[in-house]
Amino acid sequence: NAGVTQTPKFQVLKTGQSMTLQCAQDMNHEYMSWYRQDPGMGLRLIHYSVGAGITDQGEVPNGYNVSRSTTEDFPLRLLSAAPSQTSVYFCASSSGSRSGNTIYFGEGSWLTVV
Amino acid sequence: AQKITQTQPGMFVQEKEAVTLDCTYDTSDPSYGLFWYKQPSSGEMIFLIYQGSYDQQNATEGRYSLNFQKARKSANLVISASQLGDSAMYFCAVAYTGTASKLTFGTGTRLQVTL
Repeated sequence: NAGVTQTPKFQVLKTGQSMTLQCAQDMNHEYMSWYRQDPGMGLRLIHYSVGAGITDQGEVPNGYNVSRSTTEDFPLRLLSAAPSQTSVYFCASSSGSRSGNTIYFGEGSWLTVV
Repeated sequence: AQKITQTQPGMFVQEKEAVTLDCTYDTSDPSYGLFWYKQPSSGEMIFLIYQGSYDQQNATEGRYSLNFQKARKSANLVISASQLGDSAMYFCAVAYTGTASKLTFGTGTRLQVTL
């Protein structure tokens, strides 16, 4: 019963370092997305994908890259980390229907950039 | 940009009482979905309830119900018989055109249930 799996759960980076947040789902969902949550705010969409090989930008894409080579995986890359990217990151997957019970969130990844 | 407004940053309710959390949204899209999520202190996002813009009846899920007023662009969450475990952040979110994974969230309401 894996659902959406995010790794790592916690990470501390130095300014300028790069890293990849991993997201995997085992539900054969076409739609996947990445959000960030800053203190006192709701989640904001970074990037999303409607299927393997197809990605697009969300509300706050700057500083992040994504790719979708398989249906299962949707990694989020920080090429040169900045303190402004300190946040909690959530990955989500969906079958594509707007029905609420088809949206699954990972447990979140806490990232601190010093 | 689409905007979701939750005007109550914090709410208190006594155990066993009902509470309403407000949410308004703006959209010109006739087709959309409304979601409510609970985020406890542990941080995970827990789906509570969903309402489609074309659904005729208000959604209900156990102790949760959604007071959907389409003309007012309002989708308030009602929690009946509050429990101590309901203490958490609550987020309203809307999926506009496209997929359910493209959600726009409000800023949330922190609910504290007291004895």
